[in-house]
Amino acid sequence: EAQLLESGGGLVQPGGSLRLSCAASGFTFSHYAMSWVRQAPGKGLEWVSSVIAGGTGTYYADSVKGRFTLSRDNSKNTVFLQMKNLRVEDTALYYCTKDLYFEWRGFDVWGHGTMVIASS
Amino acid sequence: QSALTQPASVSGSPGQSITMSCAGTSSDVGSYDLVSWYRQYPGKAPKIIIYEVTKRPSGVSNRFSGSKSGNTASLTISGLQAEDEADYYCCSYAAYHSYVFGTGTRVTVL
Repeated sequence: EAQLLESGGGLVQPGGSLRLSCAASGFTFSHYAMSWVRQAPGKGLEWVSSVIAGGTGTYYADSVKGRFTLSRDNSKNTVFLQMKNLRVEDTALYYCTKDLYFEWRGFDVWGHGTMVIASS
Repeated sequence: QSALTQPASVSGSPGQSITMSCAGTSSDVGSYDLVSWYRQYPGKAPKIIIYEVTKRPSGVSNRFSGSKSGNTASLTISGLQAEDEADYYCCSYAAYHSYVFGTGTRVTVL
């Protein structure tokens, strides 16, 4: 069974940094694009970033471009989301997701999420 | 990257059919057959129920069906059941390698 386990969330002051990790299991990790989707408390879903299977292409929502960096280590079945210059509006539950059989077709596996709170 | 527009709420009685819309633009829903739908129960992660506009993942009930016309996608739930009460989100590929989600629809079973 495919599974994703996020870690690294926490409380950080505005302007601070956090690094989220997502460990994958139960599928051939290197074959699939991976993404992060976030959900602010009581709000809807927002796509954050995606990295294609080979890791050479990374894409970002305008709201995080220039502040967040997504990477993957196919040898460790892990994706990383480095978040810098965090803002209050980045406060959300961050879900790690696996893309469907090809990029840009949606997300068929979701983790339970890791909470990021940017607050003074 | 403006969010796709969904009705805030839709309701129906058990056994009825309901349809919710997902309005986008010619830069996302209208240009690509890459619309997916997700169901989310409170406090839980979303689950995919439709992909590529009309396709159902293995294990998803055939009571769920998707369609698209122009810049608007739709999700229909047939034979409404109590377990269908949840939040539903559409999502589309958008230009320049990005996704855009809908604003979400709360389904209430009366």
